[in-house]
Amino acid sequence: NAGVTQTPKFRILKIGQSMTLQCTQDMNHNYMYWYRQDPGMGLKLIYYSVGAGITDKGEVPNGYNVSRSTTEDFPLRLELAAPSQTSVYFCATEERGYTDTQYFGPGTRLTVL
Amino acid sequence: GENVEQHPSTLSVQEGDSAVIKCTYSDSASNYFPWYKQELGKRPQLIIDIRSNVGEKKDQRIAVTLNKTAKHFSLHITETQPEDSAVYFCAASRGSSNTGKLIFGQGTTLQVKP
Repeated sequence: NAGVTQTPKFRILKIGQSMTLQCTQDMNHNYMYWYRQDPGMGLKLIYYSVGAGITDKGEVPNGYNVSRSTTEDFPLRLELAAPSQTSVYFCATEERGYTDTQYFGPGTRLTVL
Repeated sequence: GENVEQHPSTLSVQEGDSAVIKCTYSDSASNYFPWYKQELGKRPQLIIDIRSNVGEKKDQRIAVTLNKTAKHFSLHITETQPEDSAVYFCAASRGSSNTGKLIFGQGTTLQVKP
């Protein structure tokens, strides 16, 4: 049982490049989230999904896109990377209706130069 | 907009002492309040949570208290140990917890000195 996995662990992008951060879970949780964590700060919600085919914006969605075609996968797409997107990105899943606990992936550290 | 304020930003205690971290939230509809611990370079992990129908919850050396009237909740760690050193985040549900969305505080870096 891998839980929540994220790839890649680290990435350096040049300004204007694009990339997809992958998030996969084997916990069969319907709710999934993408957060960013800037140095010395808390977690800001980028996008979330309550199930396959359903996504919605969080607090800081600009510059990002998501899709949710399956329960397991919730990729985050960055188009036209900017230095302001330098951050650590965490994917999380939630076991709704039982504990409401959010389980985080190991994170992706992204630097945009 | 809704926010969660967390204090202090850093806290240093001697091993064996108690540590208290406080959070204030603004959304009166919030009804779920988890606390996460994040060790350096690791993912956040839930350590304890409380719902708005409960005033206090305890799990071994950690406890959380909630004052709904004042809109604040606190994390208490007793008999601190060096392995308690980490960043601690409080969070509050955005609106009712049915949305699943959380608002996080900015974190408290706890250092426990041996």
